[in-house]
Order: sequence, then structure tokens, then C-alpha cells
Amino acid sequence: DIQMTQSPSSLSASVGDRVTITCRASQSISSYLNWYQQKPGKAPKLLIYAASTLQSAVPSRFSGSGSGTDFTLTISSLQPEDFATYYCQQTYSARTFGQGTKVEIK
Amino acid sequence: QVQLQESGPGLVKPSQTLSLTCTVSGGSTSSGLYYWSWIRQPAGKGLEWIGHIYTSGSTNYNPSLKSRVTISLDTSKNHFSLKLSSVTAADTAVYYCAREYSSSSNWFDPWGQGTLVTVSS
Repeated sequence: DIQMTQSPSSLSASVGDRVTITCRASQSISSYLNWYQQKPGKAPKLLIYAASTLQSAVPSRFSGSGSGTDFTLTISSLQPEDFATYYCQQTYSARTFGQGTKVEIK
Repeated sequence: QVQLQESGPGLVKPSQTLSLTCTVSGGSTSSGLYYWSWIRQPAGKGLEWIGHIYTSGSTNYNPSLKSRVTISLDTSKNHFSLKLSSVTAADTAVYYCAREYSSSSNWFDPWGQGTLVTVSS
């Protein structure tokens, strides 16, 4: 099984901050990596697919990069509506999610 | 715009079978572009992929759940279903269905709103 490890597990940031979340796969997954945002009581929402492609209607302050085993989600200027939990997911072999990164208000 | 909606009992007794249905509106489950997936999330925890089914009927399951899971598809009713047998309290979770786009890289979009299933006597 492919394991996905996100870091950090949580972070505190202020509106306007640049935020970076990393995701590491236990083996190479090429670019089969997606990012989701989940707010309390809601279903996850797709932000980025294929490591770096922004889903339609997702603000351009979100970006993704990486390939192989190491990936990054960046929020260039954190907005109030961005406080949420973020998950990476690999679809290279079966499907596995990272444990999540909770972005909280500082 | 495609929408997915989970339905089924919110309470299941231990050792029994959990059964859920995901009804798809605004799109067709017979499209060759998609898999149809189930994911679950225990309270306060992360997401766990359960499995998916393709329009052909072929399935793939999470190895950790494979012995207990069956996913089926009814294109005439435009819905797909999940059965999880021999449930325990550890199967208590919010269960989501999602459409999985099948391409050079796959992704889940959209998701249903989720339904809470509690395993308790």
C-alpha cells in the first residue's frame, strides 16, 4: 500500500500569510496527486488535481507542485474562508489520503 | 451540474450489514469517463477510501476492507450502492459517495454531502 504523509498536521496562520503544506508518498506516484479542502460538517472539495492543475472556479491563490514522492500545496495569501483542513490523495495505486493538515487562525 | 446524494439507515447493529445507496442526478452512471466511489470518515479523523466501481461493473476495493465490501451499480436507476458486512463500532463514520474522473490522473469530484452511520446495539 502507498502511504501518504502530510506535514504539518496543523498550523496557525494569519490572513494574508503565505501557507505551504507538504505531502510525501511512500513510493513514486508520478503526478497522481490531488488536494482537497474540507470545512467542518461539509464534504471535501477538490482544489487541485494531477499535482498542479487548478480545478475550475478555485481561486488562483491556491497552487500545487511536485512529482514523484514530494508534493506541495501553497496558498499565496490566506483568506478567512481558507481556514479548513486540507488533504492530499494519491490515485496511482488504489486510493490513499494523507492524514490532513488543519489550518487555523492565529 | 452533477449531484450525488447518499441514503440509507443511520443506525446499524453490530455484526449486521451496512447498506447505502448513492443517487446521481444531472449525469449518467453509464458514462465511460467515471468511476463511482465510496469514502468514509470517522468523527474527528481522516478520509478512508472504501472502493469504486466502473460502468462495466468492475470493482476495486481497499485491501483493508476487501473481505467485507461489495459495491454495485444500477445504471437503470442511476445509482450505485455499498454493502459492508459484519460491522463493528469501528465502522461508525460519515460515508461519502463521489464521482471519480478517470483520466491520465484520477480525481474525486463532486462528492455527496455525506451520511452518518452509527454502529450500535
